[in-house]
Amino acid sequence: NAGVTQTPKFQVLKTGQSMTLQCAQDMNHNSMYWYRQDPGMGLRLIYYSASEGTTDKGEVPNGYNVSRLNKREFSLRLESAAPSQTSVYFCASSGRTSGYTDTQYFGPGTRLTVL
Amino acid sequence: EDQVTQSPEALRLQEGESSSLNCSYTVSGLRGLFWYRQDPGKGPEFLFTLYSAGEEKEKERLKATLTKKESFLHITAPKPEDSATYLCAVDLVGTASKLTFGTGTRLQVTL
Repeated sequence: NAGVTQTPKFQVLKTGQSMTLQCAQDMNHNSMYWYRQDPGMGLRLIYYSASEGTTDKGEVPNGYNVSRLNKREFSLRLESAAPSQTSVYFCASSGRTSGYTDTQYFGPGTRLTVL
Repeated sequence: EDQVTQSPEALRLQEGESSSLNCSYTVSGLRGLFWYRQDPGKGPEFLFTLYSAGEEKEKERLKATLTKKESFLHITAPKPEDSATYLCAVDLVGTASKLTFGTGTRLQVTL
């Protein structure tokens, strides 16, 4: 049981290049999330998918697109990378652990630098 | 606007020196408050969920408590391996389990 896995771990891009960050979970969770983490800003939600076949914008969606490929996989695409997208990106998935709310479990992150 | 504020930003303790981290929130409709631990270069690791004022949860040297306006993470007799950034986050009613995070408290425990 690997939990949430992300690839790649590190990536350096030039301004204007595109790339896709991959995320997979093996916990049979319905919901998946993409966050970015910047110094002093905390974790901010980019996009989320409440269930297979649905995606919605989070707090900072501009410059990103997502695809919920199936229940296990949720990818994040940067079509034309900008230096402002230099960040650490985390994928998370969530499942109901009580009657009240879901618990999110995070992957190890992708460290992206855009030059 | 819903806000989550953590204090202090950084805390340095000696081994065995107990202390508390604070997470205050100004939100409406709290469904749950989460505590995570994050080690450098790693993803956040789930610690606790608290749902209602007065609730407490414990795990080893950590105890989390919740009031109507804030949560505390008490660390009793910390060890160097407790050094990490501790994040709190809130889940609000009507937000499809999206979390709003604070900026974290960086804890360093020295010998």
